[in-house]
Amino acid sequence: GAVVSQHPSWVICKSGTSVKIECRSLDFQATTMFWYRQFPKQSLMLMATSNEGSKATYEQGVEKDKFLINHASLTLSTLTVTSAHPEDSSFYICSARDGLAGETQYFGPGTRLLVL
Amino acid sequence: AQSVTQPDIHITVSEGASLELRCNYSYGATPYLFWYVQSPGQGLQLLLKYFSGDTLVQGIKGFEAEFKRSQSSFNLRKPSVHWSDAAEYFCAVDSNDYKLSFGAGTTVTVRA
Repeated sequence: GAVVSQHPSWVICKSGTSVKIECRSLDFQATTMFWYRQFPKQSLMLMATSNEGSKATYEQGVEKDKFLINHASLTLSTLTVTSAHPEDSSFYICSARDGLAGETQYFGPGTRLLVL
Repeated sequence: AQSVTQPDIHITVSEGASLELRCNYSYGATPYLFWYVQSPGQGLQLLLKYFSGDTLVQGIKGFEAEFKRSQSSFNLRKPSVHWSDAAEYFCAVDSNDYKLSFGAGTTVTVRA
């Protein structure tokens, strides 16, 4: 149980295009999902908290117009990197909190984005 | 704000030897504590967690961790490591707002 998937697992795009990353909780309902960014050899940085049916809450320094988050259902959250630039290249990881299981977050396998 | 410190950036251990990864946190109350493992290019897998109760918690893959309130520590241990334990290990803290703060991570290398 408690499986979280991400799609795509990796993506290469041209500078200026937008990229959408999906995060799904496969066997539980996720009232809250989180989006993290991880640079090589570094820890995870929380970008935003996504609550089903409401606007995402962004961490300080994260541009909400650059990283659009939508949490349309209890099993799906999407992160759209708009007008991507090479500095947006990174490993993006989502996690989901099981509303019934409380405090534990379950992580997706991550999406590697390379912007050329 | 809470912070998480993993003092060891890199640890090399022989296969079959014991392993201990250190984690210290800074927070006024007792937070929820987690250890996650990440293999290269992968997401994070939960090894174990501490919310309350018995301060020695058992996790998957033979790992255990001990919460010591007096030392604000939550060190991870494994009595005998396997080559497959080579990975990046992250300690994380949830200060009751469901947001996780991660330590910088410890890379574990297992030598034959």
